[in-house]
Order: sequence, then structure tokens, then C-alpha cells
Amino acid sequence: EVQLLESGGGLVQPGGSLRLSCAASGFTFRNYAMSWVRQAPGKGLEWVSGISGSAASAYYADPVKGRFTVSRDNSKNTLFLEMKSLGAEDTAVYYCSKGCGVDCYTRFDPWGQGTLVTVSS
Amino acid sequence: QSALTQPRSVSGSPGQSVTISCTGTSSDVGGYNYVSWYQQHPGKAPKLMIFDVTKRPSGVPDRFSGSKSGNTPSLTISGLQAEDEADYYCCSYAGSHTFVVFGGGTKLTVL
Repeated sequence: EVQLLESGGGLVQPGGSLRLSCAASGFTFRNYAMSWVRQAPGKGLEWVSGISGSAASAYYADPVKGRFTVSRDNSKNTLFLEMKSLGAEDTAVYYCSKGCGVDCYTRFDPWGQGTLVTVSS
Repeated sequence: QSALTQPRSVSGSPGQSVTISCTGTSSDVGGYNYVSWYQQHPGKAPKLMIFDVTKRPSGVPDRFSGSKSGNTPSLTISGLQAEDEADYYCCSYAGSHTFVVFGGGTKLTVL
């Protein structure tokens, strides 16, 4: 069974940094692209970032470009999201999800349970 | 404002059919057959229901179907059941710059 388990969320002050992790199991991690998708409280889904299976390619939504960095450790089956210069607009539940191939982002299945990031003073 | 436009809410009675639309542009839904739909119950993670416009993952009931006409893909749920009450989001690949876009979500109420 494919499982994704996010961690690292919490309360951070505006301008601060946070690193999220997503531990994957149940599939050959290096063979699949992974993405981060966030959901602000009471709002819809927003794709944040994606990374290819080999980590050779990384992609970002405009609102996070230059502030967020996605990475992965295929030896530990773990996905990361390094977030800097955080603002209130970054407050959201952050989900990791599995793509459809080594550099495929046309569907997300499955999703982790999410980790809440709250940016507030 | 989301890139893809969905109705905020739809409703139907048990056994009926409902259709949720998702309007985009030729740069996203109209330009690629990579539309997916996600179901999200309150407090839960989204679940993939439809991908590549019309395909159903294993385990998803055939009451769920997808289609597309021009720049408007749609999700149809037939034989509505109480457990279908949830939020539904459309999603599309949008090319190498924008990459991925979601709709704003539609709340389905089963009366």
C-alpha cells in the first residue's frame, strides 16, 4: 500500500523558515515525480512545487518561486520542502502527493494526510 | 482567484445525477487532455476520482465519469449517494510555465 506521511509543520513567525518532510513507502520512490499542494484554511487547493524522480528537474508556482526549494532523498524515500521568507499567505495545510511517472504531474495519487503551517506573530 | 472556474455549489437528491463544470482556457484544459478531478471530505486529504479527462482509477465507482467539451471539462456523478457529499476540485496541466492549475472547488450537497 502506498503511504505518504508529512511532518514538520507548525507555528512560525512572519519572515521565518520551515522545512517540511514527506516519508514515502509502498512504491519505488525514485521512479515517481512528487509534488507539494497546499490548502489555506477554508480555501481551495493550490499546487506549490514538483520534483522529478531523479531530482534533475524542479518546478514552482509563481507565488513561491525564490522562497521555496523542493528536494528529495531517494536513498531515504523522503521528499522535502524548504520554505523561507514566510508570510501570512503561506498559512495552509501542505500535502505531498505522488505523480504518475518519473517526470509526470498530470495527476496526483495518493496524497498524504497533510501538515499544517501557520505563519503568525 | 483560481485559474479554473467551478460553481461554488451543486446539489441533488439520492439516486439523481449531478454534473460539475470546470471552465478554463486553451492554455490549460483546452490545450491538454490532462484534466483530473479530486474528491475531498471535510478534514481529509483529496482523493483522485478521474484522470486524463475520462479515466477512472481502480476502486472508484463507475458512477463517476468525466468528459470535456472545448475549454470546459465536467464531472458527472450518477446515482447520487450520501457519501458523495464532499468538495470536488478539477485540475489541469497548464504547460511548462504555469504547470498545474486547480479549480476553486465545488461543494456537493446530497439532499
